[in-house]
Amino acid sequence: QVQLVQSGAEVKKPGASVKVSCKASGYTFTGHYMHWVRQAPGQGLEWMGWINPNSGVTNYAQNFQGRVTMTRDTSISTAYMELSRLTSDDTAVYYCAKSSKNRSSSPFDYWGQGTLVTVSS
Amino acid sequence: IQLTQSPSSLSASVGDRVTITCRASQGISNYLAWYQQKPGKAPKLLIYAASTLQSGVPSRFSGSGSGTDFTLTISSLQPEDFATYYCQQLNSYPLTFGGGTKVEIK
Repeated sequence: QVQLVQSGAEVKKPGASVKVSCKASGYTFTGHYMHWVRQAPGQGLEWMGWINPNSGVTNYAQNFQGRVTMTRDTSISTAYMELSRLTSDDTAVYYCAKSSKNRSSSPFDYWGQGTLVTVSS
Repeated sequence: IQLTQSPSSLSASVGDRVTITCRASQGISNYLAWYQQKPGKAPKLLIYAASTLQSGVPSRFSGSGSGTDFTLTISSLQPEDFATYYCQQLNSYPLTFGGGTKVEIK
């Protein structure tokens, strides 16, 4: 069965960076794009970008360009999302989600459980 | 591309027929998906390609539309359907979601 298991909650100070991991199992990790989506408390969903786990190619939303880095380690089927220069506006639950097909424009058929990142001084 | 969902919330009873609309600011063909999210949980894919039911999703859920106007219909609302629903466009970057529709118990 497909599973995406994310790392635990984080508390960071303004200006710091956070790195969230997403360990995949139950499918071919390199065969599906991995997206990252965040949700601020009580708010809607915001797409951050994707990584092609096979090639390592990334595509970031303009809102996060220069602050986000998505990487992967194929040897352990894990994707990572690092966000730098954190502010209180970055307080949110961060989700990884896999594409249903080997296309970046495929819908997201499995999601991680979410990682709460709290930015507070 | 902006997605506008309406209503933003609704109250309905078990057994009711519920319709949620999603309007795109420009044409997106059928590159639209619908997700259900319950409190404290990750979203769940219900429908993709505007009208294709995801495997395992009950047939009371259906989707329709193309271009700029889309609908999600729940034919007979069940207790487990009380949740927030989001549409998502996959036509162009950045991928975007609608603002959500919260379905509450009347």
